[in-house]
Amino acid sequence: ELKVEQNPLFLSMQEGKNYTIYCNYSTTSDRLYWYRQDPGKSLESLFVLLSNGAVKQEGRLMASLDTKARLSTLHITAAVHDLSATYFCAVPIYNFNKFYFGSGTKLNVKP
Amino acid sequence: DAGVIQSPRHEVTEMGQEVTLRCKPISGHDYLFWYRQTMMRGLELLIYFNNNVPIDDSGMPEDRFSAKMPNASFSTLKIQPSEPRDSAVYFCASSLALNYEQYFGPGTRLTVT
Repeated sequence: ELKVEQNPLFLSMQEGKNYTIYCNYSTTSDRLYWYRQDPGKSLESLFVLLSNGAVKQEGRLMASLDTKARLSTLHITAAVHDLSATYFCAVPIYNFNKFYFGSGTKLNVKP
Repeated sequence: DAGVIQSPRHEVTEMGQEVTLRCKPISGHDYLFWYRQTMMRGLELLIYFNNNVPIDDSGMPEDRFSAKMPNASFSTLKIQPSEPRDSAVYFCASSLALNYEQYFGPGTRLTVT
């Protein structure tokens, strides 16, 4: 069965703490995307990871991709309240001619 | 570019009425996607087009839903007749290719009473 799974689905953390969100996918793909959605808003592209071993960083967020393990991580360093949002990973699956989104991880950073 | 444009931004209608949502993709993008987002079901792909041709409509919930793309700069998603369970935010997105980054419009919040 084709799956793009994120965990955790909900994450509540204190400001200043570190945490990692995981995205696993069940079939082969060579790239992965991370999106951010603020409450009541649309989805915005965060990171584009185009190859195995790709690492991208912006501010307190860092994303990486391991295509062999079919795993991407989104690491949050010293979280701040402004990072509160829902984060989605998305994977193009060529065998099925589709682009799959994970269920999303709702992050709440408490001041 | 103005990005993906959707209209209307909000729609409130009564059960049984026809609803038409509109989308203008980013110029030059060959792929257009329609999504629906609800608290219960999350983000669902309804249908996508390549060069104005519907490629996969397996996510369209039932025959009450239809989508068209008469040209490269315009697409519609129609619900007829609408039902309260259709209440959701509907997003349109476009991309250069199927495996490329998708750019999302602001969404249409539909409420069916």
